Amino acid sequence: GNSVTQMEGPVTLSEEAFLTINCTYTATGYPSLFWYVQYPGEGLQLLLKATKADDKGSNKGFEATYRKETTSFHLEKGSVQVSDSAVYFCALILASGGYQKVTFGTGTKLQVIP
Amino acid sequence: DSGVTQTPKHLITATGQRVTLRCSPRSGDLSVYWYQQSLDQGLQFLIQYYNGEERAKGNILERFSAQQFPDLHSELNLSSLELGDSALYFCASSAGPVSYEQYFGPGTRLTVT
Repeated sequence: GNSVTQMEGPVTLSEEAFLTINCTYTATGYPSLFWYVQYPGEGLQLLLKATKADDKGSNKGFEATYRKETTSFHLEKGSVQVSDSAVYFCALILASGGYQKVTFGTGTKLQVIP
Repeated sequence: DSGVTQTPKHLITATGQRVTLRCSPRSGDLSVYWYQQSLDQGLQFLIQYYNGEERAKGNILERFSAQQFPDLHSELNLSSLELGDSALYFCASSAGPVSYEQYFGPGTRLTVT
């Protein structure tokens, strides 16, 4: 079956530090890949996406590149802010025959300290 | 604000009971998805409805059922509740039957005592 593996959290960084959250996947077929962010007390929000190999998704200073050869979609940000503190979920969606299957990773909690 | 609403925000009930969670999708969205988020299992996809019809099924227990009504709101029914059903239940919506962009509601926190 399909699966998404994220690095364990929590990740604690100082403000302006560089962020990497690792995500690898296994899937049959050609999935689209996503990062979602969940702020405390809220639902998930789509952060960025990439629908094919070598695509780079970017939003709000975050980036992730779809690497088919390493089956990875690592999330990066050059300089984190306290407001980036949240839980980040990597996900894949496989669409086939008019149906879609969604698989989420377990989430990585990021805490940014001033 | 995603435009997806869920009620109630919190629910506390006893084992063996039955509850109904409600979701209203964003205006114009025809698909509704239900997810369960728990500490031990993470975020699990339960079921999807599109324009009133069941579209995809995930890890949904037989004790759980859902439906989508003609006005496109959806209800998730959980019965014979167990302690392990305590979780956050999220609803999401999207425009079409297969969509890469899902908009999540704020969730319903269910506590089973």
